Amino acid sequence: VQLVESGGGVVQPGGSLRLSCSASGFTFDDYAMNWVRQAPGKGLEWVSLISGDGGDRYYGDAVKGRFTISRDNNKNSLFLEMSGLTIEDTAVYYCTKDKFGSGSYPPGWFDPWGQGVLVTVSS
Amino acid sequence: TVLTQSPATLSLSPGERATLSCRASHSVSRHLAWYQQKPGQAPRLLIYDASNRATGIPARFSGSGFGTDFTLTISSLEPEDFAVYYCQQRGNWPPYSFGQGTKLEIK
Repeated sequence: VQLVESGGGVVQPGGSLRLSCSASGFTFDDYAMNWVRQAPGKGLEWVSLISGDGGDRYYGDAVKGRFTISRDNNKNSLFLEMSGLTIEDTAVYYCTKDKFGSGSYPPGWFDPWGQGVLVTVSS
Repeated sequence: TVLTQSPATLSLSPGERATLSCRASHSVSRHLAWYQQKPGQAPRLLIYDASNRATGIPARFSGSGFGTDFTLTISSLEPEDFAVYYCQQRGNWPPYSFGQGTKLEIK
């Protein structure tokens, strides 16, 4: 299993950015996927989850209404569209796979994780 | 659900036993996991469902607990075990929540 994030960078407050995660080594549409972030020197914060078929999406309160999670199961790819970015969104963003497939409920064990991509919001 | 980990920092020597605690503000049943994170690396799942070791995790790592009180035990510390450890719950989701972390450092 391999997860590779891309799309990070420096963006001004109020700006937008799109993160991507390319997945391989497993049947992508069988698994829910998540984004988890970590501000510099801080702990982990769950950002968003999308079900295997893309029909269910959930968000943390800090990003609700500003971030949109999506996936393209034909391309084994996960995305995070971020808008209205603030300095508090500066973090390493990790793509994570749910440990168990869609037949298991509830979701929410993150295994494995990508290497992460840094998003810096700064003027 | 707020997860509170203690202690914030634990200083021990290789070969010693480590006991890390995670307390939940509301019951999460057995829906608790532990992750290890080393500097510059992504977190790694160690324990899920309170006591099940993830694939490839050595037997010196064990988890216990139910409801609101959970423990991660490392029976005999190896040099590679010094890292930051996070607990995480899925019992009351969304959202999922993480503890603030315990740093396990070499004494």
